Amino acid sequence: AQTVTQSQPEMSVQEAETVTLSCTYDTSENNYYLFWYKQPPSRQMILVIRQEAYKQQNATENRFSVNFQKAAKSFSLKISDSQLGDTAMYFCAFTVNTGNQFYFGTGTSLTVIP
Amino acid sequence: GAGVSQSPSNKVTEKGKDVELRCDPISGHTALYWYRQRLGQGLEFLIYFQGNSAPDKSGLPSDRFSAERTGESVSTLTIQRTQQEDSAVYLCASSLQGLNTGELFFGEGSRLTVL
Repeated sequence: AQTVTQSQPEMSVQEAETVTLSCTYDTSENNYYLFWYKQPPSRQMILVIRQEAYKQQNATENRFSVNFQKAAKSFSLKISDSQLGDTAMYFCAFTVNTGNQFYFGTGTSLTVIP
Repeated sequence: GAGVSQSPSNKVTEKGKDVELRCDPISGHTALYWYRQRLGQGLEFLIYFQGNSAPDKSGLPSDRFSAERTGESVSTLTIQRTQQEDSAVYLCASSLQGLNTGELFFGEGSRLTVL
């Protein structure tokens, strides 16, 4: 079974500080893609960062970076220099090459405190 | 359009009524997904359309749920004889090709409340 686990329902961070959101997943597939999506109060989900499982180098997008540990099936998101606009729900997700489905975690609600 | 458009934004209905939710994907996007998001939950896959291929309906929770898509355009998700457990936000997403080669672009969702 394909599953995604986000063990932190809620987190908070002071503005300008760094925060790490955890995510673990389970799949028997070897080729897959991992994603972090952000869902602000407006409800529209937007892609934050993407990682191909065959790449060893961790993906980075400006203040957002991931720590991808394939053997441990772990895919954490680090947000540096947190900004008030980072306040949102963050969903970890993955999809396998052989299927159509996109597996989502239950999300982490992040609040950036001014 | 510029993005994925969903309507209605909010829908309140009585138990037993039928509802239709509409999704207008980004022009040219061949793949279209419907997800359900219950309060405090993650996204639950419902159905996937890819071009003219037969849709993947494996996520539809019951035969009260159905969805259609004409070609690569608008999709409609229909829920018949709504139940209170159907209350959720229904999200639509589209992508340029198959899912795993590109990101999903989401609409703002349709919030359904069944009284």
